[in-house]
Amino acid sequence: NAGVTQTPKFRILKIGQSMTLQCAQDMNHNYMYWYRQDPGMGLKLIYYSVGAGITDKGEVPNGYNVSRSTTEDFPLRLELAAPSQTSVYFCASSWGSSGNTIYFGEGSWLTVV
Amino acid sequence: TQLLEQSPQFLSIQEGENLTVYCNSSSVFSSLQWYRQEPGEGPVLLVTVVTGGEVKKLKRLTFQFGDARKDSSLHITAAQPGDTGLYLCAGDRGTYKYIFGTGTRLKVLA
Repeated sequence: NAGVTQTPKFRILKIGQSMTLQCAQDMNHNYMYWYRQDPGMGLKLIYYSVGAGITDKGEVPNGYNVSRSTTEDFPLRLELAAPSQTSVYFCASSWGSSGNTIYFGEGSWLTVV
Repeated sequence: TQLLEQSPQFLSIQEGENLTVYCNSSSVFSSLQWYRQEPGEGPVLLVTVVTGGEVKKLKRLTFQFGDARKDSSLHITAAQPGDTGLYLCAGDRGTYKYIFGTGTRLKVLA
């Protein structure tokens, strides 16, 4: 019953450092998403992918990069971390058809100091 | 610019009261979903509505999709402390790029 797995769960970064948030799903979903959620707010779409080798920008892509080399994995790269990137990051996946359930990981708490 | 605006942003009510949460947009959506999120966890799907005017019920929760598919509402009857959480609407404009609303944080007091 793994579903969507994110690592790490918590991370503290210094300004200017880089890191990768890992995401894997075992449901053979075509679509995968990265969202960020600031305290008490809704989710903002960072990047999404409709299948291996295909990615596209969401609402707030600046400062992030993604890749999708396999159906299962969708890592999110933060380059030159800034305090504005302090947030909770959620990876998610779905079959992709309109109205399909989006399954979320448990979130990764990132603090940039 | 937020594509999906939710109101109210915060709501604190007594157990047994009724409430309605709104999700509004100027854009048309192919489908609209409602999620509930509890602290420290990812959102979990409650319902999906796809047809304008559609009404769906999930126990004490009633969901409605606007006739023009631009808005939706969530009504909770006789709220219970277990209903406490962050309620999020999410819309798909036919591109499978789901955009989430601003969220409504509900607290039900025993």
